[in-house]
Amino acid sequence: KQEVTQIPAALSVPEGENLVLNCSFTDSAIYNLQWFRQDPGKGLTSLLLIQSSQREQTSGRLNASLDKSSGRSTLYIAASQPGDSATYLCAVDSWGKLQFGAGTQVVVTP
Amino acid sequence: DTEVTQTPKHLVMGMTNKKSLKCEQHMGHRAMYWYKQKAKKPPELMFVYSYEKLSINESVPSRFSPECPNSSLLNLHLHALQPEDSALYLCASSLSPTETQYFGPGTRLLVL
Repeated sequence: KQEVTQIPAALSVPEGENLVLNCSFTDSAIYNLQWFRQDPGKGLTSLLLIQSSQREQTSGRLNASLDKSSGRSTLYIAASQPGDSATYLCAVDSWGKLQFGAGTQVVVTP
Repeated sequence: DTEVTQTPKHLVMGMTNKKSLKCEQHMGHRAMYWYKQKAKKPPELMFVYSYEKLSINESVPSRFSPECPNSSLLNLHLHALQPEDSALYLCASSLSPTETQYFGPGTRLLVL
């Protein structure tokens, strides 16, 4: 059974610092891995999708890496801003079935 | 239009009521999903529709009944719910079952 873990559970950084969020999964038979952000009481916003054949994906200040063999993905957010404060969730996709980690709650202080 | 809409935003119902949640997308997506999210927990998959056919049911109790009348619309019919069913219900859609999923804002359900 797939298990998805995110460490740390919470993170607080001053504005301008780079953020590093970790995601690990136990079963490497995945189709892709997706990163989302969720603001309190709201739906999820898709950030990046990495296909299982890819090593990384970039969008603006965001960069996500994937090492399927070791069951790890890392989301990097460069030059953090207060607007980056949210919960970040990774999810592994096994043919349309997304299984989520518990998330990392990020606070960026001005 | 890159939006998934959900109605209502909030719903309060008694345990004997029947209600429905509605989800709509006009992005031409052919896969649609229902998730349940309890407070401080990640979303949990309930149902997947692919090309208007139910393809995945994650052993959800029969008091939750999904329906996909057409490729743009997804309903979740609720009947005889329990207080522990109170949660945020999220709908999502994707071009196909393995593409990026786009989420709606959710319906916050309270069962009294």
